[in-house]
Amino acid sequence: DGGITQSPKYLFRKEGQNVTLSCEQNLNHDAMYWYRQDPGQGLRLIYYSQIVNDFQKGDIAEGYSVSREKKESFPLTVTSAQKNPTAFYLCASRRPGQADLGYTFGSGTRLTVV
Amino acid sequence: GQQVMQIPQYQHVQEGEDFTTYCNSSTTLSNIQWYKQRPGGHPVFLIQLVKSGEVKKQKRLTFQFGEAKKNSSLHITATQTTDVGTYFCAGGAYNFNKFYFGSGTKLNVKP
Repeated sequence: DGGITQSPKYLFRKEGQNVTLSCEQNLNHDAMYWYRQDPGQGLRLIYYSQIVNDFQKGDIAEGYSVSREKKESFPLTVTSAQKNPTAFYLCASRRPGQADLGYTFGSGTRLTVV
Repeated sequence: GQQVMQIPQYQHVQEGEDFTTYCNSSTTLSNIQWYKQRPGGHPVFLIQLVKSGEVKKQKRLTFQFGEAKKNSSLHITATQTTDVGTYFCAGGAYNFNKFYFGSGTKLNVKP
């Protein structure tokens, strides 16, 4: 079955460390996204990519970095510059312009700073 | 910047009662999507509305898009315990590749 795989499911980071969250999709979608979800809040856009080798900052990009070297993969690095990284991170993909189809989300990575 | 506000934040209902959540945008939207997130899960796409005044139904769920394309609602008739979760709206800017999520309404249904 096609879908999005995020790993790991749980991640613990020490202060000052960079960590990378994996996101892989086999849906052949061009567009991929990273969202952050905090308790009681909606999803906030970190970065998005509409095509390979291109990506744009979302609303809360500071302290994060991404790459899009392959269509299937869109890893997110949480750097030490991100002051409050503890959150639930969701990767999503979408086929732009296709009506009636929303985002397909992965099952998420829960990051905790220890 | 663009904002999508969603109310209420929480709703507790008895099984069989109706439930409604509302979304309002500060700007005109190109479309609006609705998602459901079960506890501990990830958001799952429910539906997309595009036309002004559009109404769509999925069994006990009714979705509306306002005439001005600035507000939307999701109404569930006769809730069931399987309806438990958080419902999010996501408003599309006039760029189909970017959506702004509301803060969600967490629905709890007591059996």
